[in-house]
Amino acid sequence: EDQVTQSPEALRLQEGESSSLNCSYTVSGLRGLFWYRQDPGKGPEFLFTLYSAGEEKEKERLKATLTKKESFLHITAPKPEDSATYLCAVRGAGSYQLTFGKGTKLSVIP
Amino acid sequence: DAGITQSPRHKVTETGTPVTLRCHQTENHRYMYWYRQDPGHGLRLIHYSYGVKDTDKGEVSDGYSVSRSKTEDFLLTLESATSSQTSVYFCAISDPSGGQETQYFGPGTRLLVL
Repeated sequence: EDQVTQSPEALRLQEGESSSLNCSYTVSGLRGLFWYRQDPGKGPEFLFTLYSAGEEKEKERLKATLTKKESFLHITAPKPEDSATYLCAVRGAGSYQLTFGKGTKLSVIP
Repeated sequence: DAGITQSPRHKVTETGTPVTLRCHQTENHRYMYWYRQDPGHGLRLIHYSYGVKDTDKGEVSDGYSVSRSKTEDFLLTLESATSSQTSVYFCAISDPSGGQETQYFGPGTRLLVL
C-alpha cells in the first residue's frame, strides 16, 4: 500500500525566511511524485512532477527535490502570496490512483 | 489552467436523495478521475475512467457510481446520498500516453447532505 506523510502539518514563516517542506513516501515502483498548491476553496494547482531520485525542478521561489524515500519543497525568500496548503502525492506502478499526503499549511507573515 | 469545469459548484441535498455531479473537460484527455477531500484525510480516489464507457473503482467507491458516455464528460452519481458523503469533490484529468503522469484538477463541488 502506497503511503505519503507530510511534515510539518503547519508552518509559519516571516516574509523572506526560507524553509523546506518534507514529503516522505513508500510506494511500489514510483511512477511519479507530484507537488500541488491549494488555496482555500479552490482545486489543487499543479506545481511539479518528479520521476526519479536526484531530479530537481524549480519555479520562481520554489524548488522540489527527490530522493528514494522523500521529497523536499524548498521555499526561498517567501512572500505572503505563497501562503497556501502544499500537497504531495505519489503514483505507484500498476495503478492510476494518486496517493496524497494530508498537506502542509504554509502561512507567510508580512 | 487546464480546461476543467465542474457543476454544480455548491449543492445542499437531503439524505436519501440521488445526486449527480458533472465534470467537463476541453483538453481531450483520455483519463478522468473523481476524488473527495475531507478534513484529516488526503484527497482520496472514488472512481476513474480510462476511456469512453471504461471505468474502474478507486479507494472509496462504495455508495458511488460513474458514467462516461463522451470523452469530455464524466458523471459521478450518489444513488442515495448519506451524511457521510458530505465532502468536497474534485474532478481530475490526465493524458499518460506521452509519458506525462500529471493529473490536473478542477475547481471542486462542495456537497452538503443534511
